[in-house]
Amino acid sequence: AAGVIQSPRHLIKEKRETATLKCYPIPRHDTVYWYQQGPGQDPQFLISFYEKMQSDKGSIPDRFSAQQFSDYHSELNMSSLELGDSALYFCASSPVVALGNIQYFGAGTRLSVL
Amino acid sequence: AQSVTQLDSQVPVFEEAPVELRCNYSSSVSVYLFWYVQYPNQGLQLLLKYLSGSTLVKGINGFEAEFNKSQTSFHLRKPSVHISDTAEYFCAVPGGGSQGNLIFGKGTKLSVKP
Repeated sequence: AAGVIQSPRHLIKEKRETATLKCYPIPRHDTVYWYQQGPGQDPQFLISFYEKMQSDKGSIPDRFSAQQFSDYHSELNMSSLELGDSALYFCASSPVVALGNIQYFGAGTRLSVL
Repeated sequence: AQSVTQLDSQVPVFEEAPVELRCNYSSSVSVYLFWYVQYPNQGLQLLLKYLSGSTLVKGINGFEAEFNKSQTSFHLRKPSVHISDTAEYFCAVPGGGSQGNLIFGKGTKLSVKP
């Protein structure tokens, strides 16, 4: 079965650089979520999209932006990178827009900021 | 706001022993609860979920959890663990967003030793 695809799997950047993370949801899933998991931390919700429109925002810094495209893939753009942005970034997708919906997670992108 | 508390950050057990990973929730609304597992260097995988109905929920890999409203708990159990169960386990609830973004507990690292 198709899963959530994230690319790249690993990314190394320097401070003040920019990074773009991509997420391809499971086919026919119209909701995408982004989470950030710092070292030894629990995943923190960043932002979500439903039908290509931003739906909810969590603890996403102003330096980050995201969008969902017509083919439902999503990109997380991160500018002016800081050392503290080093983390595992997960994308999840869901076929149902409701509380209690099941989210299917990708393997994540590990971002290292040097 | 909804939240979950995982009482144990690390749980070491021997192979074939039973295990219980504890999770308590706080919620003033309908409760939906999830357990996710994260194997080393991998994404999050849904183990089981409670939405309504029977308070004993069975999941994948022989895990089960019991929803206890009076104790506001949703503890995860397995009668006999394997080395391959070594992973980090996260309890989660839907956050306040309309699209059901998840709020995770701090995680419990289960280490199964031979």
